[in-house]
Amino acid sequence: TQLLEQSPQFLSIQEGENLTVYCNSSSVFSSLQWYRQEPGEGPVLLVTVVTGGEVKKLKRLTFQFGDARKDSSLHITAAQPGDTGLYLCAVNNQGGKLIFGQGTELSVKP
Amino acid sequence: DSGVTQTPKHLITATGQRVTLRCSPRSGDLSVYWYQQSLDQGLQFLIQYYNGEERAKGNILERFSAQQFPDLHSELNLSSLELGDSALYFCASSVVGSGIAYNEQFFGPGTRLTVL
Repeated sequence: TQLLEQSPQFLSIQEGENLTVYCNSSSVFSSLQWYRQEPGEGPVLLVTVVTGGEVKKLKRLTFQFGDARKDSSLHITAAQPGDTGLYLCAVNNQGGKLIFGQGTELSVKP
Repeated sequence: DSGVTQTPKHLITATGQRVTLRCSPRSGDLSVYWYQQSLDQGLQFLIQYYNGEERAKGNILERFSAQQFPDLHSELNLSSLELGDSALYFCASSVVGSGIAYNEQFFGPGTRLTVL
Protein backbone atom coordinates (compact mmCIF):
# COMPACT_ATOMS: atom_id res chain seq x y z
CA THR A 1 0.00 0.00 0.00
CA GLN A 2 1.31 3.38 -1.01
CA LEU A 3 1.60 6.00 1.70
CA LEU A 4 0.69 8.65 -0.87
CA GLU A 5 -1.93 7.93 -3.51
CA GLN A 6 -1.90 10.20 -6.53
CA SER A 7 -4.71 10.53 -9.04
CA PRO A 8 -5.18 10.44 -11.86
CA GLN A 9 -2.20 8.35 -12.90
CA PHE A 10 -2.32 9.71 -16.46
CA LEU A 11 -3.87 12.87 -17.86
CA SER A 12 -3.88 14.03 -21.46
CA ILE A 13 -5.47 17.40 -22.21
CA GLN A 14 -5.49 20.16 -24.80
CA GLU A 15 -3.65 23.42 -24.40
CA GLY A 16 -5.77 25.97 -22.54
CA GLU A 17 -7.70 23.47 -20.40
CA ASN A 18 -7.69 23.48 -16.62
CA LEU A 19 -6.82 20.44 -14.54
CA THR A 20 -6.47 19.25 -10.97
CA VAL A 21 -4.36 16.40 -9.65
CA TYR A 22 -4.62 14.94 -6.20
CA CYS A 23 -2.38 13.49 -3.55
CA ASN A 24 -4.16 11.60 -0.76
CA SER A 25 -3.18 9.71 2.35
CA SER A 26 -4.69 8.39 5.56
CA SER A 27 -1.70 9.77 7.48
CA VAL A 28 -1.18 13.28 8.80
CA PHE A 29 1.91 15.13 7.67
CA SER A 30 3.74 18.17 8.98
CA SER A 31 4.47 19.25 5.43
CA LEU A 32 4.10 18.09 1.84
CA GLN A 33 6.06 18.88 -1.28
CA TRP A 34 5.24 18.88 -4.99
CA TYR A 35 7.89 18.09 -7.59
CA ARG A 36 7.84 18.15 -11.37
CA GLN A 37 10.00 15.81 -13.41
CA GLU A 38 10.65 16.13 -17.13
CA PRO A 39 11.85 13.19 -19.23
CA GLY A 40 15.55 12.55 -18.76
CA GLU A 41 15.79 14.89 -15.78
CA GLY A 42 15.59 14.68 -12.02
CA PRO A 43 12.60 15.98 -10.04
CA VAL A 44 12.50 19.71 -9.36
CA LEU A 45 10.83 21.11 -6.27
CA LEU A 46 7.82 23.32 -7.05
CA VAL A 47 6.46 24.09 -3.59
CA THR A 48 6.31 23.03 0.04
CA VAL A 49 3.04 23.38 1.97
CA VAL A 50 3.15 23.35 5.72
CA THR A 51 -0.08 24.67 7.26
CA GLY A 52 -3.45 22.91 7.03
CA GLY A 53 -5.65 24.74 4.53
CA GLU A 54 -2.68 26.59 3.07
CA VAL A 55 -2.92 27.75 -0.55
CA LYS A 56 0.17 28.66 -2.53
CA LYS A 57 0.31 30.00 -6.06
CA LEU A 58 3.13 29.69 -8.56
CA LYS A 59 2.07 31.52 -11.74
CA ARG A 60 -0.70 29.31 -13.20
CA LEU A 61 -0.21 26.56 -10.58
CA THR A 62 -2.23 26.57 -7.35
CA PHE A 63 -1.33 24.19 -4.55
CA GLN A 64 -3.54 23.45 -1.57
CA PHE A 65 -2.85 21.51 1.61
CA GLY A 66 -5.90 19.87 3.14
CA ASP A 67 -7.27 21.20 6.42
CA ALA A 68 -6.39 17.93 8.15
CA ARG A 69 -2.94 17.84 6.48
CA LYS A 70 -3.66 14.42 4.95
CA ASP A 71 -4.07 15.46 1.33
CA SER A 72 -3.10 18.03 -1.24
CA SER A 73 -4.11 19.18 -4.68
CA LEU A 74 -2.42 20.88 -7.59
CA HIS A 75 -4.55 22.93 -9.98
CA ILE A 76 -3.19 24.19 -13.29
CA THR A 77 -5.04 26.95 -15.09
CA ALA A 78 -4.85 27.26 -18.88
CA ALA A 79 -2.35 24.43 -19.28
CA GLN A 80 0.48 24.84 -21.79
CA PRO A 81 2.63 22.22 -23.56
CA GLY A 82 5.50 23.30 -21.32
CA ASP A 83 3.54 21.96 -18.33
CA THR A 84 3.98 18.42 -19.66
CA GLY A 85 5.76 16.18 -17.19
CA LEU A 86 5.46 13.90 -14.19
CA TYR A 87 4.03 15.59 -11.10
CA LEU A 88 5.05 13.98 -7.84
CA CYS A 89 3.95 14.68 -4.31
CA ALA A 90 6.31 13.77 -1.49
CA VAL A 91 6.57 13.87 2.28
CA ASN A 92 9.61 14.04 4.48
CA ASN A 93 9.81 10.91 6.61
CA GLN A 94 12.06 10.21 9.57
CA GLY A 95 14.13 13.30 9.17
CA GLY A 96 15.72 13.32 5.78
CA LYS A 97 14.36 10.87 3.26
CA LEU A 98 11.50 11.70 0.94
CA ILE A 99 8.62 9.33 0.28
CA PHE A 100 7.02 9.92 -3.10
CA GLY A 101 3.66 9.15 -4.58
CA GLN A 102 3.52 7.25 -7.86
CA GLY A 103 3.00 10.49 -9.76
CA THR A 104 0.62 11.93 -12.32
CA GLU A 105 1.86 11.84 -15.91
CA LEU A 106 0.53 14.99 -17.59
CA SER A 107 0.54 15.52 -21.35
CA VAL A 108 -0.62 18.86 -22.73
CA LYS A 109 -1.16 18.82 -26.47
CA PRO A 110 -0.92 22.01 -28.55
CA ASP B 1 20.67 23.07 -13.49
CA SER B 2 20.34 21.91 -9.87
CA GLY B 3 24.08 21.99 -9.21
CA VAL B 4 24.13 18.24 -8.53
CA THR B 5 26.15 16.24 -11.03
CA GLN B 6 25.95 12.53 -11.74
CA THR B 7 28.09 10.30 -13.92
CA PRO B 8 27.71 8.41 -16.09
CA LYS B 9 24.47 9.50 -17.76
CA HIS B 10 23.86 6.05 -19.23
CA LEU B 11 25.27 2.66 -18.29
CA ILE B 12 24.68 -0.63 -20.07
CA THR B 13 26.04 -3.78 -18.53
CA ALA B 14 25.38 -7.50 -18.19
CA THR B 15 23.85 -9.56 -15.41
CA GLY B 16 26.29 -10.48 -12.69
CA GLN B 17 28.46 -7.42 -13.22
CA ARG B 18 29.30 -4.61 -10.80
CA VAL B 19 28.99 -0.88 -11.49
CA THR B 20 29.70 2.35 -9.65
CA LEU B 21 27.59 5.46 -9.95
CA ARG B 22 29.04 8.78 -8.92
CA CYS B 23 27.44 11.91 -7.51
CA SER B 24 28.79 15.35 -6.65
CA PRO B 25 26.44 17.38 -4.43
CA ARG B 26 25.77 21.10 -4.67
CA SER B 27 28.49 23.24 -3.21
CA GLY B 28 27.92 23.53 0.53
CA ASP B 29 25.45 20.63 0.82
CA LEU B 30 26.43 18.03 3.39
CA SER B 31 23.71 15.47 2.78
CA VAL B 32 23.54 13.10 -0.16
CA TYR B 33 20.58 10.85 -0.92
CA TRP B 34 20.26 8.03 -3.43
CA TYR B 35 16.94 7.10 -5.04
CA GLN B 36 15.91 4.44 -7.53
CA GLN B 37 13.13 5.09 -10.05
CA SER B 38 11.50 2.23 -11.92
CA LEU B 39 8.22 1.98 -13.77
CA ASP B 40 6.62 -0.40 -11.31
CA GLN B 41 8.01 0.95 -8.01
CA GLY B 42 8.18 4.66 -8.71
CA LEU B 43 10.79 6.79 -6.96
CA GLN B 44 12.17 4.93 -3.93
CA PHE B 45 14.65 6.10 -1.32
CA LEU B 46 17.75 3.93 -1.01
CA ILE B 47 20.22 5.53 1.40
CA GLN B 48 21.36 8.85 2.87
CA TYR B 49 24.77 10.09 3.93
CA TYR B 50 25.48 13.18 5.96
CA ASN B 51 29.00 14.57 6.14
CA GLY B 52 30.53 11.16 5.48
CA GLU B 53 28.34 9.14 7.81
CA GLU B 54 25.41 6.91 6.91
CA ARG B 55 22.26 8.61 8.22
CA ALA B 56 19.29 6.60 6.95
CA LYS B 57 18.58 3.48 4.96
CA GLY B 58 15.59 2.56 2.84
CA ASN B 59 14.84 -0.72 1.13
CA ILE B 60 18.35 -0.98 -0.24
CA LEU B 61 19.41 -4.43 -1.35
CA GLU B 62 22.43 -6.07 0.30
CA ARG B 63 24.06 -6.17 -3.15
CA PHE B 64 24.04 -2.37 -3.13
CA SER B 65 26.33 -0.18 -1.05
CA ALA B 66 27.27 3.46 -0.93
CA GLN B 67 29.77 5.79 0.64
CA GLN B 68 30.43 9.49 0.96
CA PHE B 69 33.99 10.70 0.72
CA PRO B 70 35.74 13.55 2.59
CA ASP B 71 35.18 15.88 -0.37
CA LEU B 72 31.44 15.02 0.02
CA HIS B 73 31.02 13.28 -3.30
CA SER B 74 29.24 9.96 -3.09
CA GLU B 75 29.35 6.65 -4.92
CA LEU B 76 26.67 3.99 -5.19
CA ASN B 77 28.00 0.51 -5.87
CA LEU B 78 25.70 -2.08 -7.40
CA SER B 79 26.98 -5.65 -7.61
CA SER B 80 25.77 -9.02 -8.90
CA LEU B 81 23.43 -7.10 -11.13
CA GLU B 82 20.09 -8.57 -12.14
CA LEU B 83 17.69 -7.62 -14.91
CA GLY B 84 15.39 -6.07 -12.31
CA ASP B 85 18.05 -3.58 -11.29
CA SER B 86 17.52 -1.71 -14.55
CA ALA B 87 16.24 1.69 -13.50
CA LEU B 88 17.04 5.36 -13.18
CA TYR B 89 19.24 6.15 -10.20
CA PHE B 90 19.08 9.67 -8.82
CA CYS B 91 21.29 11.43 -6.37
CA ALA B 92 19.98 14.40 -4.40
CA SER B 93 21.66 16.74 -1.98
CA SER B 94 20.58 19.12 0.74
CA VAL B 95 22.20 21.43 3.24
CA VAL B 96 20.86 19.63 6.30
CA GLY B 97 20.28 15.99 7.06
CA SER B 98 17.35 15.97 9.42
CA GLY B 99 15.80 17.73 12.34
CA ILE B 100 13.57 20.10 10.41
CA ALA B 101 9.99 19.70 9.31
CA TYR B 102 10.81 19.86 5.63
CA ASN B 103 13.99 19.48 3.74
CA GLU B 104 14.55 20.79 0.24
CA GLN B 105 16.47 18.31 -1.83
CA PHE B 106 18.07 19.09 -5.18
CA PHE B 107 18.19 16.23 -7.64
CA GLY B 108 20.82 15.40 -10.21
CA PRO B 109 19.96 14.38 -13.78
CA GLY B 110 20.22 10.68 -12.96
CA THR B 111 22.02 7.63 -14.31
CA ARG B 112 20.04 5.29 -16.50
CA LEU B 113 21.20 1.73 -15.82
CA THR B 114 20.32 -1.01 -18.25
CA VAL B 115 21.17 -4.58 -17.30
CA LEU B 116 21.07 -7.02 -20.22
